[in-house]
Amino acid sequence: EAGVAQSPRYKIIEKRQSVAFWCNPISGHATLYWYQQILGQGPKLLIQFQNNGVVDDSQLPKDRFSAERLKGVDSTLKIQPAKLEDSAVYLCASSLGTANEKLFFGSGTQLSVL
Amino acid sequence: GENVEQHPSTLSVQEGDSAVIKCTYSDSASNYFPWYKQELGKGPQLIIDIRSNVGEKKDQRIAVTLNKTAKHFSLHITETQPEDSAVYFCAAPWKGSYIPTFGRGTSLIVHP
Repeated sequence: EAGVAQSPRYKIIEKRQSVAFWCNPISGHATLYWYQQILGQGPKLLIQFQNNGVVDDSQLPKDRFSAERLKGVDSTLKIQPAKLEDSAVYLCASSLGTANEKLFFGSGTQLSVL
Repeated sequence: GENVEQHPSTLSVQEGDSAVIKCTYSDSASNYFPWYKQELGKGPQLIIDIRSNVGEKKDQRIAVTLNKTAKHFSLHITETQPEDSAVYFCAAPWKGSYIPTFGRGTSLIVHP
């Protein structure tokens, strides 16, 4: 079974530039999550999708972050414009449903904002 | 305060010793408590989970215990091996939802 795929693996940008991350969840998984993991901390949820609808985006900084999952499969997360404090690993995860289920994580995209 | 608090932040043990990591949570309605292991450069991977209708669950060298009254749960690793070295995260549902909120992590170092 293929795992959660994320790209790129690493990204270095300057502040105020834009960046986008891509995620392909495990086939058949209805729920997709984007987490932000700052060095030395646990993952923090940014947004949760169920199929192509947003379930929770209460912790997404909507003035600069956006995410979509148009066809209920792949997802992209965008930051525009980036700030220094956005430097982190962005993790995508998926699960079959939404109720207390195992999350499968990708390896993440490590973003450095200079 | 945080929904999930995790201690210690770093744990160093000798190979063969046991390791215990503890977490407390604030939402009494929480009913699912997973533990994830994260190796360097990888995403977290579920190693064991427990639901609120049981007090303990074991899987070979790892076990999780849950005390709902005190609102805390613990991960126990016995006969630790160098390959157990990683960062471990506990999690609990956030604000009555099913979305896991993670603790800050425990860096476990097992010395050969």
